[in-house]
Amino acid sequence: NAGVTQTPKFQVLKTGQSMTLQCAQDMNHNSMYWYRQDPGMGLRLIYYSASEGTTDKGEVPNGYNVSRLNKREFSLRLESAAPSQTSVYFCASSPSTDTQYFGPGTRLTVL
Amino acid sequence: GQQVMQIPQYQHVQEGEDFTTYCNSSTTLSNIQWYKQRPGGHPVFLIQLVKSGEVKKQKRLTFQFGEAKKNSSLHITATQTTDVGTYFCAVVSGYALNFGKGTSLLVTP
Repeated sequence: NAGVTQTPKFQVLKTGQSMTLQCAQDMNHNSMYWYRQDPGMGLRLIYYSASEGTTDKGEVPNGYNVSRLNKREFSLRLESAAPSQTSVYFCASSPSTDTQYFGPGTRLTVL
Repeated sequence: GQQVMQIPQYQHVQEGEDFTTYCNSSTTLSNIQWYKQRPGGHPVFLIQLVKSGEVKKQKRLTFQFGEAKKNSSLHITATQTTDVGTYFCAVVSGYALNFGKGTSLLVTP
């Protein structure tokens, strides 16, 4: 039982490059989330998926897209990376609006 | 959605001293959750409070939910170096959680 896994752990991009952050959970949770964490800003919600087949914008969705591929997987895509997207990205899952279980994070640097 | 303000932003204590972080809202909260994030790590769920005036303890950690359900606190008695990290409160907002900005605790041996 791995919980929530994220790949990659680290990534360096050049401005304008694209990439997809992968997230998977093996706890059969309905809800999944993507957050970004910046110093002094806490955790800010980018997108979430309350159930398979649905996605909704969070507080800071601009510049990102998501896909809830199936119940297990929720990916985050940066189509054209910008330096402002340098951050630590966390995926989380939850049975409902309950306790959230976080993945280990992806540390992204955009040059 | 519901928002919370968390204070202080930082706290530096000597090992053995007590520590408290506060979470405040202008609206009545349905519940509140607390998470801990170690340096370089990810947030880990600590506890959820639901009832007005609720007090829960986990070893040296004491969590309180205010009578009006507008504030909450986390108190650590006799801090240890293992308590180092950032403590977040979080409140339900629709299908998601809104997190406070966190209190970073540094413990000096």
